[in-house]
Amino acid sequence: EVRLVESGGGLVQPGGSLRLSCAASGFTFSSYSINWVRQAPGKGLEWVSFISNTGNTIYYADSVKGRFTISRDNANNSLYLQMNSLRTDDTAVYYCARVRTNYYMDVWGKGTTVTVSS
Amino acid sequence: EIVLTQSPGTLSLSPGERATLSCRASQSISSSYLAWYQQKLGQAPRLLIYGASSRATGIPDRFSGSGSATDFTLTISRLEPEDFAVYYCQSYDSSRWTFGQGTKVEIK
Repeated sequence: EVRLVESGGGLVQPGGSLRLSCAASGFTFSSYSINWVRQAPGKGLEWVSFISNTGNTIYYADSVKGRFTISRDNANNSLYLQMNSLRTDDTAVYYCARVRTNYYMDVWGKGTTVTVSS
Repeated sequence: EIVLTQSPGTLSLSPGERATLSCRASQSISSSYLAWYQQKLGQAPRLLIYGASSRATGIPDRFSGSGSATDFTLTISRLEPEDFAVYYCQSYDSSRWTFGQGTKVEIK
């Protein structure tokens, strides 16, 4: 079964840091690009960051650029999102999603919840 | 930057009825890069349609997508009880992914 499983969410104070992980299984992880997408409570979906299959190409949404860092470990089928200088408006469920050739996302994890609050 | 505007915000329909959801782009986009997702409460999004009109694996044929340039449509031919959910369109352009704000399909 093709799966993505996020972890690492939690409660953090404004200005703090958190590292999210996404574990892949059931497919050749090193062949696929991955997105992070988030959803604030009661709101819509917002793209956060992209990493190509090799890790050589990386993009960020303007809202997180300079604060978040995406990376991957193909040997361990894992994706990461290092989140620094967290703000209250970063509070959301964070999903990792597999990206296909025409830039749609065909496999999604169940998400991990990040709450930024004092 | 592309903006996707979905309408209506909420669609109130009965099971068995036809649902027509609109997604309008602020500028012309390639239909190859237009996708639709379904999201139920408390769940992750699920891919329904990619390339504007291709159904994802396992998606029933009551779901169909159409459109080009700036105007795209998701049609659910006959609503089943499990189809009541929020639907998002998504596009890609210039190293960015954009989602519409969503259309909620609710039971009338």
